[in-house]
Amino acid sequence: GAGVSQSPSNKVTEKGKDVELRCDPISGHTALYWYRQSLGQGLEFLIYFQGNSAPDKSGLPSDRFSAERTGGSVSTLTIQRTQQEDSAVYLCASSLAHSGREQFFGPGTRLTVL
Amino acid sequence: QKEVEQDPGPLSVPEGAIVSLNCTYSNSAFQYFMWYRQYSRKGPELLMYTYSSGNKEDGRFTAQVDKSSKYISLFIRDSQPSDSATYLCAMSPYALNFGKGTSLLVTP
Repeated sequence: GAGVSQSPSNKVTEKGKDVELRCDPISGHTALYWYRQSLGQGLEFLIYFQGNSAPDKSGLPSDRFSAERTGGSVSTLTIQRTQQEDSAVYLCASSLAHSGREQFFGPGTRLTVL
Repeated sequence: QKEVEQDPGPLSVPEGAIVSLNCTYSNSAFQYFMWYRQYSRKGPELLMYTYSSGNKEDGRFTAQVDKSSKYISLFIRDSQPSDSATYLCAMSPYALNFGKGTSLLVTP
């Protein structure tokens, strides 16, 4: 079956602009996670959604970052007033349940803020 | 101090060698342990998943967890040039905590 898909694959934007990144999880997966991968920083957790529960936003670095998940499926990560330090690869993962195990990753969106 | 520590390498080995990759962690709440492989400009790919202390084998790959020492390992037998990638350890109760990854190069 289809894996996790993300779009766009690459995004170049100017400092101060807003961007939206999309994630389409594996069908039937109830848990969805966003991570950020920066050079030299490794992968850091941003936010996760489990079913209809309130999302865990504890990893979001600032209030410029927000995410929503509509209908328990597709998710959008929004970064407002982008800064150069937001440049990174944004990865989405999904799993069958809120257990943290066996998370399957998408290919990522490479964001460059000029 | 990060909750998960992983030597970034790079690690270079000849084809056919046994590779040992390791991570240490500090959080006793971690229950699930995973190893991911990531090729350049690709998303991480799940290699191994373990829940308890002990060994788990899958083909050329063996994952080892020692909860008493808070230490996990991934062994790759008969390494191939196609194994050249970055290997990330990850662990959780829910959202994954990643090591920074070890860059592995297997030379023909």
